[in-house]
Amino acid sequence: EIVLTQSPATLSLSPGERATLSCRASQSVGSGYLAWYQQKPGQAPRLLIYGSTTRATGIPDRFSGSGSGTDFTLTISRLEPEDFAGYYCHQFGTSPWTFGQGTRVEIK
Amino acid sequence: QVQLQESGPGLVKPSQTLSLTCTVSGASISGGSFYWSWIRQPAGKGLEWIGRIYTSGSTYYNPSLKSRVTMSLDRYRNQVSLFLNSVTAADTAVYFCARSSATNPYHYYMDVWGKGTTVTVSS
Repeated sequence: EIVLTQSPATLSLSPGERATLSCRASQSVGSGYLAWYQQKPGQAPRLLIYGSTTRATGIPDRFSGSGSGTDFTLTISRLEPEDFAGYYCHQFGTSPWTFGQGTRVEIK
Repeated sequence: QVQLQESGPGLVKPSQTLSLTCTVSGASISGGSFYWSWIRQPAGKGLEWIGRIYTSGSTYYNPSLKSRVTMSLDRYRNQVSLFLNSVTAADTAVYFCARSSATNPYHYYMDVWGKGTTVTVSS
């Protein structure tokens, strides 16, 4: 199974700052098979990015994804109040599909 | 617009079988080419993918749970079901169902999710 390790576990930032979230895979993941989700307390995950770089429908352009192979990054260019939440990377290129353990972006 | 709604008992006794249903509205589970997945999340923890069932009824289960999991489709009721037997407290979690397109491997990401249902395993 491909293990996804996200870092940091928690990111403490202020609104307007830039957030950089990392997702590292235990073996190569095709860049087309990596997605990112946002999850707020009490809610289901929401798809943000698929194919490592493509924003899902309705996702603001302050969210961007990059990376290939074993290293992937989610960047939020300028944090808005509604962006403070949990974020998960997900690979679906190899079964079993797996998720990272998550990064929590909290208000500093 | 496709919507998913999970339902089932909120409390299950240890050693019993957890049974959940995901009711799909806005689309037929028999139409198109889709994967229907179950994912769970213990309180305060991350997401664990349980497995998937294809439109045809073929399944793939996470090896970590494979010996205890069954998924099925009820085409008449337009529902996807999850059965997890021999439950313990470690199975206490919020359970989500989600849909993926299966037409292209690059589209296997889960783009539609239910709101989730909480299951507690306790005597």
